[in-house]
Amino acid sequence: DAGVTQSPTHLIKTRGQQVTLRCSPKSGHDTVSWYQQALGQGPQFIFQYYEEEERQRGNFPDRFSGHQFPNYSSELNVNALLLGDSALYLCASSPRGGGRGQPQHFGDGTRLSIL
Amino acid sequence: DAKTTQPPSMDCAEGRAANLPCNHSTISGNEYVYWYRQIHSQGPQYIIHGLKNNETNEMASLIITEDRKSSTLILPHATLRDTAVYYCIVSLLNAGNNRKLIWGLGTSLAVNP
Repeated sequence: DAGVTQSPTHLIKTRGQQVTLRCSPKSGHDTVSWYQQALGQGPQFIFQYYEEEERQRGNFPDRFSGHQFPNYSSELNVNALLLGDSALYLCASSPRGGGRGQPQHFGDGTRLSIL
Repeated sequence: DAKTTQPPSMDCAEGRAANLPCNHSTISGNEYVYWYRQIHSQGPQYIIHGLKNNETNEMASLIITEDRKSSTLILPHATLRDTAVYYCIVSLLNAGNNRKLIWGLGTSLAVNP
């Protein structure tokens, strides 16, 4: 049973460029959340998708956008990259039944470096 | 969402129990307590979660006080592989039946031989 998978594992971009990160959720999960983790900090919530729509959003600018596909996989897009966007980007998946506190399961992330 | 307070670092001898405390004094009635850990360069690993009752699984035990304002994660026999940053999180279920996790800085646990 594959867990959450993310690609690529590492990426180097320059300021002003655009990037797309990809995530496949754990089997049986239909909700995907994205987090940004700067060095030495805890993860910060970016947004959450289910049923192919953005359902919740954290305090991130519109440069951060996403998409969810019918097979529940998801993409995170970041435009006009800034040096401060350098971070580990984490994808987490969970089943829809949040009422019973079902935990989110994380991938190992994409390490994005901006030069 | 409720905030949590954890000590920044702790040490534990290999083979002994590691007891990691967490304060969540502003927790509300429908917020769960989750524990995750993160080993360097990996994604967070889910450990355990609970609402009111104490919980135990193959990895750890979670003790929640009766007033739910604090909890303790117990690793019964710590090994060197348990060295990691441990995060205590509470999350709110919103009207849309969604949760988001609000993370602090966690506790860096060092298990020593």
